[in-house]
Amino acid sequence: EIVMTQSPATLSVSPGERATLSCRASQSVGSNLAWYQQKPGQAPRLLIYGASTRATGIPARFSGSGSGTEFTFTISSLQSEDFAVYFCHQYGNWPLTFGQGTKVVIK
Amino acid sequence: QVQLVQSGAEVKKPGASVKVSCKASGYTFNGYAIYWVRQAPGHRLEWMGWINGANGNTKYSESFQGRLTITRDLYAKTAYMELSALRSEDTAVYYCAKDQTYGSGNSRVVVIAHWGQGTLVSVSS
Repeated sequence: EIVMTQSPATLSVSPGERATLSCRASQSVGSNLAWYQQKPGQAPRLLIYGASTRATGIPARFSGSGSGTEFTFTISSLQSEDFAVYFCHQYGNWPLTFGQGTKVVIK
Repeated sequence: QVQLVQSGAEVKKPGASVKVSCKASGYTFNGYAIYWVRQAPGHRLEWMGWINGANGNTKYSESFQGRLTITRDLYAKTAYMELSALRSEDTAVYYCAKDQTYGSGNSRVVVIAHWGQGTLVSVSS
């Protein structure tokens, strides 16, 4: 099983600032990496797939990069609605696995 | 638009079984797989299993082998997840989800893109 490890667990950021999140895979997943946003009481929302491609309707302030085992997710200028939990997901190997999440909170 | 509507919260005793439904609309039901993913309190999302939209074949996580059954009703456009021999550690929010295909050929990507609203299953004596 591929273990996905995210860091940091919590990220404190001021509105308008940049947030950078990391995700590491225990073995290569190529570019088969997605990022989701989850707010309390809501289902996850797909933001990025293929490590760097924004899903339909996702604003340009969200971006992803990386391949293999190291991935980065960036929110260029945090808006109030962006404070949430973000988690990565590898879909290249069975079983599908998810990171433990990074909580982005208001500084 | 794609919608996945799940059945309501359940409270079960240890050893019992639970069956959660997921009614789909807004797309061709037998054209896409349905996944089941759960999230226990304080834990990461955990993939449980998957049913192939075209042929109904299933694939289960080894963590649930023997306890999990995923089925579907094509006419009702509904998928079901049944988990047996429940224990307190099975207390979680259970989600159904649908994948989406992006691109084609060598650049084709199939990734979970749509989720149900989640169903809380509580297991307690």
